[in-house]
Amino acid sequence: AQSVTQPDIHITVSEGASLELRCNYSYGATPYLFWYVQSPGQGLQLLLKYFSGDTLVQGIKGFEAEFKRSQSSFNLRKPSVHWSDAAEYFCAVAPGYSTLTFGKGTMLLVSP
Amino acid sequence: DVKVTQSSRYLVKRTGEKVFLECVQDMDHENMFWYRQDPGLGLRLIYFSYDVKMKEKGDIPEGYSVSREKKERFSLILESASTNQTSMYLCASSLVSDNYGYTFGSGTRLTVV
Repeated sequence: AQSVTQPDIHITVSEGASLELRCNYSYGATPYLFWYVQSPGQGLQLLLKYFSGDTLVQGIKGFEAEFKRSQSSFNLRKPSVHWSDAAEYFCAVAPGYSTLTFGKGTMLLVSP
Repeated sequence: DVKVTQSSRYLVKRTGEKVFLECVQDMDHENMFWYRQDPGLGLRLIYFSYDVKMKEKGDIPEGYSVSREKKERFSLILESASTNQTSMYLCASSLVSDNYGYTFGSGTRLTVV
């Protein structure tokens, strides 16, 4: 079955520093991959998605992710983190028609 | 602005009660989903629906049922609530033409005592 693993439960980054959140997937073929963000007390919002083509995907709020087949990874990056980026981030894969399987999430803390 | 609305933000119910969680979307989406979210476990799919009166089991359907009598409304039912169903419940919807373009509600935090 398709699955995703987010190795980091918590990450703390200084405001203005760069960010990379890790996601590894398990799937034989090219997966559909996603990153979502959940701000406190809110539902999830889609940041970006990868289906095929260019392996570097641009998303909203200045985020990007790179699909690396050789490493089975889809890591999320941002060059300069803002305090408002503090949230929980979920990587997800599409195991079947219209459904998503989510990772366990990574909580991002931003220090002043 | 398009929305997925969950009727209650917080609910407290007693063990053994029948509980209804309601979700309404105003985007004419065909697909609707119920997930539960628990710390350290992420989101897990309970049930989903492709169309009115249709439903499919997700990864953890035990102890739950659903109802979709109208396209815009998708209800999650806990037939006999138990303490291990204390959780955050998230509803989402999407278009068939954009299957993975989920719009999520803000969630219902259910506590079963």
